Amino acid sequence: EAQVTQNPRYLITVTGKKLTVTCSQNMNHEYMSWYRQDPGLGLRQIYYSMNVEVTDKGDVPEGYKVSRKEKRNFPLILESPSPNQTSLYFCASSLTGVGNQPQHFGDGTRLSIL
Amino acid sequence: EDQVTQSPEALRLQEGESSSLNCSYTVSGLRGLFWYRQDPGKGPEFLFTLYSAGEEKEKERLKATLTKKESFLHITAPKPEDSATYLCAVRQENYGQNFVFGPGTRLSVLP
Repeated sequence: EAQVTQNPRYLITVTGKKLTVTCSQNMNHEYMSWYRQDPGLGLRQIYYSMNVEVTDKGDVPEGYKVSRKEKRNFPLILESPSPNQTSLYFCASSLTGVGNQPQHFGDGTRLSIL
Repeated sequence: EDQVTQSPEALRLQEGESSSLNCSYTVSGLRGLFWYRQDPGKGPEFLFTLYSAGEEKEKERLKATLTKKESFLHITAPKPEDSATYLCAVRQENYGQNFVFGPGTRLSVLP
């Protein structure tokens, strides 16, 4: 089954403790991205990747890092999490980074930073 | 500034009462307009892609249309299971440009 898989689904942690949210897709998609979703603000893009070793900032990249060493994986790293990063996070992928292919989303990671 | 807005913010319908959701956009070089459905606690689920003004797509009780400045999602004879938040997003022309999402319309269909 074609899917985007995120782990963990839920995480409660404390300020400053480094964490990584993993994302994997099995569709051989070139384009992958990370979003956060906050009430009243909608979905905002954090980082995206056009392909392996090609990443770029989205609208809200501060406090986040990403890497794309393999085509299927696109982890999101919070090196020193803060409470304002408490949010619902989604990973998404699409066939390419150009054109009109839709993105397909994972089921989300609910992150709480205390 | 590139922008995507949606109206209404929330909509309550009786089962069988048809209506339309609006998505207005101001972006340069539209590469595609996308409609998604999002259920609580889930990721957005892709519904439609529209690319050219005048284009229409249908799926069950949903029909999406596109003009040069807006898109409509028409819901015909909705059922309670159509209750969800409906998001629209646009993709712009620039290489690697991200998707810009609207804030969504929260639809409730009452039995």
